[in-house]
Amino acid sequence: AQSVAQPEDQVNVAEGNPLTVKCTYSVSGNPYLFWYVQYPNRGLQFLLKYITGDNLVKGSYGFEAEFNKSQTSFHLKKPSALVSDSALYFCAVRDGGSYIPTFGRGTSLIVHP
Amino acid sequence: GAGVSQSPSNKVTEKGKDVELRCDPISGHTALYWYRQSLGQGLEFLIYFQGNSAPDKSGLPSDRFSAERTGGSVSTLTIQRTQQEDSAVYLCASSLSTGTLPYEQYFGPGTRLTVT
Repeated sequence: AQSVAQPEDQVNVAEGNPLTVKCTYSVSGNPYLFWYVQYPNRGLQFLLKYITGDNLVKGSYGFEAEFNKSQTSFHLKKPSALVSDSALYFCAVRDGGSYIPTFGRGTSLIVHP
Repeated sequence: GAGVSQSPSNKVTEKGKDVELRCDPISGHTALYWYRQSLGQGLEFLIYFQGNSAPDKSGLPSDRFSAERTGGSVSTLTIQRTQQEDSAVYLCASSLSTGTLPYEQYFGPGTRLTVT
């Protein structure tokens, strides 16, 4: 079985400050982890993924995520937030034996000018 | 190159009518997924197609929902006798063959279905 949790429905941050969007997961095997972003009235766009190797994964638009096996977390981070980063962010997990990822409920990121 | 396209972008229908939603995946992508997105509910998996294999229909919420994929490309999601609870955004995604490799998904813009 696989599951993913995004404990925050909404994250507020001031422009220029660092941001973190949290994600925790549960899988029976090795996890494949993904972050997607959804802008208003658009489909989801891929940001980054973790397969294996380095725990720090770098992705699009300056985002990065840190895989922590002991804490079963894959938090999304960015050193300096932009107003244009305001969107809905989804974490997804796929067990190595599954073809279908499970998505979290999403976290709304609001970056204030 | 062209991304995943979906049509129509919006659909308003009366309760009890049938609707068809269309998805054109990225050329060469053999995996295709349908999801339903309701406000505050995240993405609900509906059905998964992989090449010529039998689809994984485990996410379909009732027998009113069905989907097909013709020629390994275009897919149609059909909802019969629509109910108000079917109102949602229906998203289609495609990816390269999954196999054991975790390819990312490419999503279409969605079809917003409203059942009145």
